[in-house]
Amino acid sequence: DIQMTQSPSSLSASVGDRVTLTCRASQGIRNDLGWYQQKPGKAPKRLIYAASSLQSGVPSRFSGSGSGTEFTLTISSLQPEDFATYYCLQHNSYPWTFGQGTKVEIK
Amino acid sequence: QVQLVQSGAEVQKPGTSVKVSCKASGYTFTGYYMHWVRQAPGQGLEWMGWINPNSGGTNYAQKFQGRVTMTRDTSITTAYMDLSSLRSDDTAMYYCARVRLYSGTYYFDYWGQGTLITVSS
Repeated sequence: DIQMTQSPSSLSASVGDRVTLTCRASQGIRNDLGWYQQKPGKAPKRLIYAASSLQSGVPSRFSGSGSGTEFTLTISSLQPEDFATYYCLQHNSYPWTFGQGTKVEIK
Repeated sequence: QVQLVQSGAEVQKPGTSVKVSCKASGYTFTGYYMHWVRQAPGQGLEWMGWINPNSGGTNYAQKFQGRVTMTRDTSITTAYMDLSSLRSDDTAMYYCARVRLYSGTYYFDYWGQGTLITVSS
């Protein structure tokens, strides 16, 4: 199975900060990776597909990059509604696997 | 509009089975694979497998092989996930999620609201 490792596990940041989340795959997955945002008590929401393509309706402050084994999700200017947990998901091979999540908290 | 509406929360005893339903509406049910993902309390997301509503074909994570069965009823546009031999560590929120194939890649575009399954004696 491909292991997805996210870092950091959590971070504290202020509104307006630029934050970068990282996801590393245990083997190359091309760009077969998506990012999802989850708020407490809610289902995850799609943000990025194919590592760097922004989902329709997602604010442009979100961006993704990377290929192979290292990927990043950047929020250019953190907004109050962005405080949530973020997960990466690889769909290069079965079983699909999620990272353990990065929780973004208010400083 | 696309909607996935799941069945309600359940409490089950260890060793028994549970069947969760996911009623789809607003799109052609047989046109999109349905996946199941679970999340234990305070934990991350775990992929369980998928069903092709058109053919009934399935693909399960090895971890759940022999315990999970995914089925569908196209006449009522509903997918089901049956998990047997329940253990306490199966306590989790279970989600159905539609997968879209777009430009050669996949992503979960719609999710059900989740079904909380509690396994307790």
